[in-house]
Amino acid sequence: AQTVTQSQPEMSVQEAETVTLSCTYDTSESDYYLFWYKQPPSRQMILVIRQEAYKQQNATENRFSVNFQKAAKSFSLKISDSQLGDAAMYFCAYRDIYNQGGKLIFGQGTELSVKP
Amino acid sequence: GAVVSQHPSWVICKSGTSVKIECRSLDFQATTMFWYRQFPKQSLMLMATSNEGSKATYEQGVEKDKFLINHASLTLSTLTVTSAHPEDSSFYICSALISGGNTEAFFGQGTRLTVV
Repeated sequence: AQTVTQSQPEMSVQEAETVTLSCTYDTSESDYYLFWYKQPPSRQMILVIRQEAYKQQNATENRFSVNFQKAAKSFSLKISDSQLGDAAMYFCAYRDIYNQGGKLIFGQGTELSVKP
Repeated sequence: GAVVSQHPSWVICKSGTSVKIECRSLDFQATTMFWYRQFPKQSLMLMATSNEGSKATYEQGVEKDKFLINHASLTLSTLTVTSAHPEDSSFYICSALISGGNTEAFFGQGTRLTVV
């Protein structure tokens, strides 16, 4: 069974600085998707960034980028120029392309605080 | 972007009564919807996968007779918590996949259920 592990329950960053959130996963599949979701205090899940496993290039969305290491099964999220609005729970998630009916498997989450 | 509306946002009910939560895809058709449960400071736990026109698939350990799921149309799935007890108090979130295999899941805003 696939698993997703986030080993950092809490992280803190100074405003305008850079922070990296870690995520590792386990799967025997070669094709899959990986995601980072943000859950602010409102608890609405917001997609931050998506990576297709077949793409070697790391995904980037403005201040958010990932370091996808397929062989190591690692998928870290880098937030540059951190802003107060980035404070939230961040979840790493995995999804099979062909199996499991499209369900997402989430990591435990990392609570990010941003200090002014 | 695609919008998923979940209703109600919060509900308080008496122990022993049933509560229905609705999840609607407003501007797309969703063959598959998912129901999650989330405790404070914890990750999303998948309860069941709901497929339009067929029986839901429940995750191991989830009581299907207690958490009734109906997906009668391509835009609506409902979760009914039957004979609710205080231990059922939690945050329930639905998500939906656009029919046709889109990679991204869209989330409702969640429902906070309190059983007194």
